[in-house]
Amino acid sequence: EPEVTQTPSHQVTQMGQEVILRCVPISNHLYFYWYRQILGQKVEFLVSFYNNEISEKSEIFDDQFSVERPDGSNFTLKIRSTKLEDSAMYFCASNPRTGLDTGELFFGEGSRLTVL
Amino acid sequence: QQQVKQSPQSLIVQKGGISIINCAYENTAFDYFPWYQQFPGKGPALLIAIRPDVSEKKEGRFTISFNKSAKQFSLHIMDSQPGDSATYFCAAYPSGSARQLTFGSGTQLTVLP
Repeated sequence: EPEVTQTPSHQVTQMGQEVILRCVPISNHLYFYWYRQILGQKVEFLVSFYNNEISEKSEIFDDQFSVERPDGSNFTLKIRSTKLEDSAMYFCASNPRTGLDTGELFFGEGSRLTVL
Repeated sequence: QQQVKQSPQSLIVQKGGISIINCAYENTAFDYFPWYQQFPGKGPALLIAIRPDVSEKKEGRFTISFNKSAKQFSLHIMDSQPGDSATYFCAAYPSGSARQLTFGSGTQLTVLP
């Protein structure tokens, strides 16, 4: 069964460092998302991406964040200068958005970011 | 207005019992209401979903009840099993957007053997 894969599973970084989280969405999906979940809290929307550009972003997704689809398969989230409060689990998700779209988002297993 | 409020925060049920989790929303533009199940260390996975044109949807032991006028929806897990122990999130999609999910705060369900 096709799945969304994310790397790394866990990254520890020092405050102020740049971090890149990588995702390989399901191959025939057209919409891509990043969500984050601070430990014990709800899953929060960060950004959606379609046709090589951002469709929507939340207030959390400030200038420190950027997304990119550098090739036909990878979808990355970059945090330019990490802060302690960026520590969270980051989930990538994709959605086919075709005529058969059920509205389901397919989530990866997440990348845990720990900022020290 | 984009919030989805979920309760209870945690729920303990005996095996074979009924688990009920409730959610409420304010934004009338929401038009798709999924429930996601999340096991520790895993990403959320779609469990069951409903659109506002129906009042109930059942899949196996899982049922969503939807009350459009009250802007509430709930998940019922019949014959709860220890394997159902997980965190459950209700969510909603607004129409007319890139359809990002707005999640509730989650309910940690523990089913005792």
